[in-house]
Amino acid sequence: GAVVSQHPSWVICKSGTSVKIECRSLDFQATTMFWYRQFPKQSLMLMATSNEGSKATYEQGVEKDKFLINHASLTLSTLTVTSAHPEDSSFYICSAKPHGGKYSYNEQFFGPGTRLTVL
Amino acid sequence: QKEVEQNSGPLSVPEGAIASLNCTYSDRGSQSFFWYRQYSGKSPELIMFIYSNGDKEDGRFTAQLNKASQYVSLLIRDSQPSDSATYLCAAATGANNLFFGTGTRLTVIP
Repeated sequence: GAVVSQHPSWVICKSGTSVKIECRSLDFQATTMFWYRQFPKQSLMLMATSNEGSKATYEQGVEKDKFLINHASLTLSTLTVTSAHPEDSSFYICSAKPHGGKYSYNEQFFGPGTRLTVL
Repeated sequence: QKEVEQNSGPLSVPEGAIASLNCTYSDRGSQSFFWYRQYSGKSPELIMFIYSNGDKEDGRFTAQLNKASQYVSLLIRDSQPSDSATYLCAAATGANNLFFGTGTRLTVIP
């Protein structure tokens, strides 16, 4: 149980284009999903917290107009990188926090990540 | 500011030895602590979490928490080459967010 999927697993795009990444909780409902970014040999950096049906909360330094987050249902959150540039190339990972049930209060389950390369 | 500190390593241990990974945190309000393993190019996977002071054992893994010292550790007994990965420590307050350390890279030498 507690499986999170992401799509696509990798994407290469041209500078200036927009890229959408999907994060789905497959066997549980997630009222909260998180989006992280990880540059090579660095730790996970939280970008934003996404709650179903409400606006995402962005961490300091993350541009909300550039990284659009939509958490339309209890099992799906999307991250759209708008007008992507080479410096946005990174490993984007989502995680989902189960809504109650058998899971501990702060458990998060990670998706497999999406590697974005902007040329 | 909520900070989680880890020694980046690399930590090298021979196969069969005990690997000891350490983590300190700055926010005394942190209530729960997590250890994740991350293989290169992959996303983190949860190994263990701990809430209470003392030890928590799960198979070859033991998490230790000392809230007075703001210290969390992970012991891996009978280390295997497949344990070679980066281990991330994370702390959470009563709110949603996890704050991650930079990770310790472990290499188990056959």
